[in-house]
Amino acid sequence: SQQGEEDPQALSIQEGENATMNCSYKTSINNLQWYRQNSGRGLVHLILIRSNEREKHSGRLRVTLDTSKKSSSLLITASRAADTASYFCATLYGNNRLAFGKGNQVVVIP
Amino acid sequence: EAQVTQNPRYLITVTGKKLTVTCSQNMNHEYMSWYRQDPGLGLRQIYYSMNVEVTDKGDVPEGYKVSRKEKRNFPLILESPSPNQTSLYFCASTKRPPGPKTGANVLTFGAGSRLTVL
Repeated sequence: SQQGEEDPQALSIQEGENATMNCSYKTSINNLQWYRQNSGRGLVHLILIRSNEREKHSGRLRVTLDTSKKSSSLLITASRAADTASYFCATLYGNNRLAFGKGNQVVVIP
Repeated sequence: EAQVTQNPRYLITVTGKKLTVTCSQNMNHEYMSWYRQDPGLGLRQIYYSMNVEVTDKGDVPEGYKVSRKEKRNFPLILESPSPNQTSLYFCASTKRPPGPKTGANVLTFGAGSRLTVL
């Protein structure tokens, strides 16, 4: 089973709006990562947040981590059409594996 | 350019015809992994390798084989492909294997190989 689960699964917004998606996980973690996948392409790493961090920013991306609730959120501010993609969270699963959630599809309408 | 290269990118084959999807990385990464992606199921790990000659099963290893004879290469072998192996396959690598103390390092993904088995 997957370690991470994103919620909601699909999101459609207007350009300029903010997009928020959530991820929950089951076991304690050292870090949590978010990846982006443009249609049918390989995943690209966006941001990594460590377990001792509560919030992290990278450009228009803001990630939060709540280890007490075992959840993380990814916020994309001032969305652009180019942000249309699927977004995945990923955490360590077992001893040596990285498990991904099912993905959160975001469509930004110009 | 640092990258993970997969070949072929697209393949249509028939049931039972053995095929190999190659994966090569030029970053001297120790850890390599294969995932398959199916609609509604996300990415599921097939096999992974901690280093040369060290491989292990992921969540969905049935019907697949791998080998890691060299650090840079990690081919995925389908000995007798079946239609349920129709999927989008990704190879990925990272410098150090993920672990309980270090956590999970950033993966670099290949562009994907879309396989159709008729």
